[in-house]
Amino acid sequence: GNSVTQMEGPVTLSEEAFLTINCTYTATGYPSLFWYVQYPGEGLQLLLKATKADDKGSNKGFEATYRKETTSFHLEKGSVQVSDSAVYFCALSAINDYKLSFGAGTTVTVRA
Amino acid sequence: DTGVSQNPRHKITKRGQNVTFRCDPISEHNRLYWYRQTLGQGPEFLTYFQNEAQLEKSRLLSDRFSAERPKGSFSTLEIQRTEQGDSAMYLCASSPAQNEQFFGPGTRLTVL
Repeated sequence: GNSVTQMEGPVTLSEEAFLTINCTYTATGYPSLFWYVQYPGEGLQLLLKATKADDKGSNKGFEATYRKETTSFHLEKGSVQVSDSAVYFCALSAINDYKLSFGAGTTVTVRA
Repeated sequence: DTGVSQNPRHKITKRGQNVTFRCDPISEHNRLYWYRQTLGQGPEFLTYFQNEAQLEKSRLLSDRFSAERPKGSFSTLEIQRTEQGDSAMYLCASSPAQNEQFFGPGTRLTVL
């Protein structure tokens, strides 16, 4: 079946540090890949997505590249801010499917 | 606010009672999804509607759970004879097609 494995947290960083959250997936064919973010007290929001191999999704300074050869979709940000403190979820939607399969989430805390 | 709304936001009930949650999707979205999220985990798919038709139910959805989407607009999720293991955040999402899913704030259920 389809599954997503992401780096366990929690992750604690200082402001302006570099952030990487690893995500790997198992799926048949070419799934669509997503990063969702959940800020404290809020619902899930789509952060970025990529729908085919070598696509790069980007938003709010975050980037992730769809790597078919390594079945990965790692999330990166070059300089984090306190406002980036949240739980980040990697997810996939298999081809011709509609439901999302999520990883367990990674809690990121950025200290001033 | 034209996002996905869910009611109630919080529900505390005693074991054995029935509960019903409501989800109002974004108006032009014909696809509606229910997910369940437990502490420290990512959301897990429960069921999916396209318009008023329920097209898939996860094996997580035992016979105590039932979901409806009359007229293809709002949806309800009912849990009969609640158990402590049903305590979780119940998330609703909607989408216009096989695309980005927009999530509501969730209903947090606590079964005492």
